[in-house]
Amino acid sequence: NAGVMQNPRHLVRRRGQEARLRCSPMKGHSHVYWYRQLPEEGLKFMVYLQKENIIDESGMPKERFSAEFPKEGPSILRIQQVVRGDSAAYFCASSLYRAPAYEQYFGPGTRLTVT
Amino acid sequence: AQSVTQLDSQVPVFEEAPVELRCNYSSSVSVYLFWYVQYPNQGLQLLLKYLSGSTLVESINGFEAEFNKSQTSFHLRKPSVHISDTAEYFCAVKEEPGTASKLTFGTGTRLQVTL
Repeated sequence: NAGVMQNPRHLVRRRGQEARLRCSPMKGHSHVYWYRQLPEEGLKFMVYLQKENIIDESGMPKERFSAEFPKEGPSILRIQQVVRGDSAAYFCASSLYRAPAYEQYFGPGTRLTVT
Repeated sequence: AQSVTQLDSQVPVFEEAPVELRCNYSSSVSVYLFWYVQYPNQGLQLLLKYLSGSTLVESINGFEAEFNKSQTSFHLRKPSVHISDTAEYFCAVKEEPGTASKLTFGTGTRLQVTL
């Protein structure tokens, strides 16, 4: 059973360009979470999605950031008009919708560098 | 709102020495608690978790953590560390145990094991 897959692993964008980060959850997992890790900091929650629904986006910046998890295909985190402050590691996690703890399994991350 | 505090940003230790990584949390509701480990340029791996029952939980590689409700702590310990334990360790909490929801992470503790 393959784990959570993220691509690309490394992404370089110039200021003002768009960044698209993809996440394929583990087989059978219907919940996806996106976290951002800034240099020398812990992970910060961004958004939680189920298939075709955003459940909690309380950690998403109000502008330029969006996320989706379509019925078919991977979850996408999209950052428009990137700025240097967007440089970070973005991690995706997935979980089952089943008790007891909905353990989250993390992907290897996408490291975004904005030049 | 929940929060997690890891007071030690770095912990240097000699191989075969014992180590304790501290984690304190605050929450107005009951929580699940987790320790994740992150090796350089990799994603997070679940090390151990406390859901309910015995307050002492163990991992397969010799780490253990004890949930102390009165002190709101979940410190991670290992009686004898190995060079391969060098990594970043993150403590995390999850509220609403009955539903899928976000994890809140501490800022991490970098464990550096030397000969």
